[in-house]
Amino acid sequence: AQTVTQSQPEMSVQEAETVTLSCTYDTSENNYYLFWYKQPPSRQMILVIRQEAYKQQNATENRFSVNFQKAAKSFSLKISDSQLGDTAMYFCAFILNTDKLIFGTGTRLQVFP
Amino acid sequence: GAGVSQSPSNKVTEKGKDVELRCDPISGHTALYWYRQRLGQGLEFLIYFQGNSAPDKSGLPSDRFSAERTGESVSTLTIQRTQQEDSAVYLCASSRTSGGGALFGDTQYFGPGTRLTVL
Repeated sequence: AQTVTQSQPEMSVQEAETVTLSCTYDTSENNYYLFWYKQPPSRQMILVIRQEAYKQQNATENRFSVNFQKAAKSFSLKISDSQLGDTAMYFCAFILNTDKLIFGTGTRLQVFP
Repeated sequence: GAGVSQSPSNKVTEKGKDVELRCDPISGHTALYWYRQRLGQGLEFLIYFQGNSAPDKSGLPSDRFSAERTGESVSTLTIQRTQQEDSAVYLCASSRTSGGGALFGDTQYFGPGTRLTVL
């Protein structure tokens, strides 16, 4: 079965600090893509970062970076210099060639001033 | 348009009534997806359309759910004889392409969703 597990229902961090959100997934496939999406209270799902499974280099996008460990099937998100606007639900997801995104249950991140 | 749009933003209906939810994808995107998000949960895949190919309906939870798409534009998700367990946010997404093989994995861009409440 294809599953995504986010073991941290809630996290909090102080503004300007660094926080890491964890994600593990399960698939027997070798070729897939991984994503982190952010969902603020507006409900809009916003792409944060994307990683191709065949690439060993970890993706980065400004203050956001991932630690992709393919053998361990782990895909954590690191947010550096946290900002108040980072407060949101964060969803880890992956996609196989079936084109269906498979989502975890999310981590609620609260950034405190 | 600039992004995926959905209407209505919120819909309250009575149990047993039919509802229609609309999605306008990003212009030029050939793939369109519907997902359901129950309170406090991640997204569940419902259905997707790719160009003129037959849609993948494997995620539809019951025959009360159906969806149509006009060419490569607007899509409508219809829920007949709504039940209280249908209450959720229904999200639509589009991507440039899909279709498996080397083409899969294009980023899906989401609309703001429709919050459906069945009383």
